[in-house]
Amino acid sequence: EAGVTQFPSHSVIEKGQTVTLRCDPISGHDNLYWYRRVMGKEIKFLLHFVKESKQDESGMPNNRFLAERTGGTYSTLKVQPAELEDSGVYFCASSQYNPEAFFGQGTRLTVV
Amino acid sequence: AQSVTQLDSHVSVSEGTPVLLRCNYSSSYSPSLFWYVQHPNKGLQLLLKYTSAATLVKGINGFEAEFKKSETSFHLTKPSAHMSDAAEYFCVVTPSGGYQKVTFGTGTKLQVIP
Repeated sequence: EAGVTQFPSHSVIEKGQTVTLRCDPISGHDNLYWYRRVMGKEIKFLLHFVKESKQDESGMPNNRFLAERTGGTYSTLKVQPAELEDSGVYFCASSQYNPEAFFGQGTRLTVV
Repeated sequence: AQSVTQLDSHVSVSEGTPVLLRCNYSSSYSPSLFWYVQHPNKGLQLLLKYTSAATLVKGINGFEAEFKKSETSFHLTKPSAHMSDAAEYFCVVTPSGGYQKVTFGTGTKLQVIP
């Protein structure tokens, strides 16, 4: 069974550019979560989808971040325009029965 | 409100000696507690979980943790470290029954010396 897959694994962009991260959850998982780890800090919750609906987006830092999950399958997280403080590792997780979730390997985003 | 504190950012042990990674939590609700491990260039992997059943929880790869409500602790232990245990470990707390609003600790990097 395929696990949670994230694309790209690394991304280096300039300040002001746009970046889109993608997460493919485990097939059949209704719950999809995004988390972020800024260097040296704890991993923080960003948002939670149940199928295609945003269940909780209280962790999204500001309106430069936009998450979508069309059709309840894969999800994208767009950062536009990117700022230096957006650098970090972005994790995606999926689950079917709470509370156990399965994590992807993360996307390391560097904004220069 | 809830929080989790991993008391050590780095732990170094010799191969074959015991491992102790410390985690203290605070939660307004009955918490669920987890330990995850991240090996280099890999995703987060669930080691074990406590969800209000037995207080001594056994996980994969010989790890276990004991939930101590009186001490608000959930320390991770292993009797004998293996080289493959070198990784970063995260303690996680969430209100019991849900996975939203999870709170991660800052992580403990475990080094295993041959």
